[in-house]
Amino acid sequence: DAGVIQSPRHEVTEMGQEVTLRCKPISGHNSLFWYRQTMMRGLELLIYFNNNVPIDDSGMPEDRFSAKMPNASFSTLKIQPSEPRDSAVYFCASSSPAGPYTDTQYFGPGTRLTVL
Amino acid sequence: SQQGEEDPQALSIQEGENATMNCSYKTSINNLQWYRQNSGRGLVHLILIRSNEREKHSGRLRVTLDTSKKSSSLLITASRAADTASYFCATDAFQGAQKLVFGQGTRLTINP
Repeated sequence: DAGVIQSPRHEVTEMGQEVTLRCKPISGHNSLFWYRQTMMRGLELLIYFNNNVPIDDSGMPEDRFSAKMPNASFSTLKIQPSEPRDSAVYFCASSSPAGPYTDTQYFGPGTRLTVL
Repeated sequence: SQQGEEDPQALSIQEGENATMNCSYKTSINNLQWYRQNSGRGLVHLILIRSNEREKHSGRLRVTLDTSKKSSSLLITASRAADTASYFCATDAFQGAQKLVFGQGTRLTINP
């Protein structure tokens, strides 16, 4: 298995531009998570999906952020308009929990976003 | 907040020595997980310990869980240079939810 795939790996954009980050989870996994990691705030959960349905988006910082999962093999995280404070590494992770509790999450390599 | 907090924030030891990292959390959990992150990479799952378990081993890793003290420790024996990384504990935030809350991590440096 190729693991969780994220694209692009690096993104540099200017303030005000739209940014779209992409994720392909591990085949067969039914839970998908978007995280943001910064030195100041550590690793924060932004949103997670179960069976393509958003379950908890309480970590999404504001309306500029949106996430979609149109099918089991693809998800996007969009920032519009982007701001310099959005600069961070964004991780996607997937999981296949056997029951109601948390299970191992498999992380992608991340997208390093720099907003100038 | 149920966030795990690792201690120490940074640890530097000589190759071959044992490394111990601790994690404390605030409310009851179903399980606790440890992850490793090499510089510039995504997190890699190391081990999961359930609330009814007290100790678990995986290769050179030993994890303990004390639910009465709401704490866990990760021991890496016979450390190697390749163990240099950041280590995070993660707890499940809510009963029945898939949400994990990560601590700030311990930065481990193994000196050759």
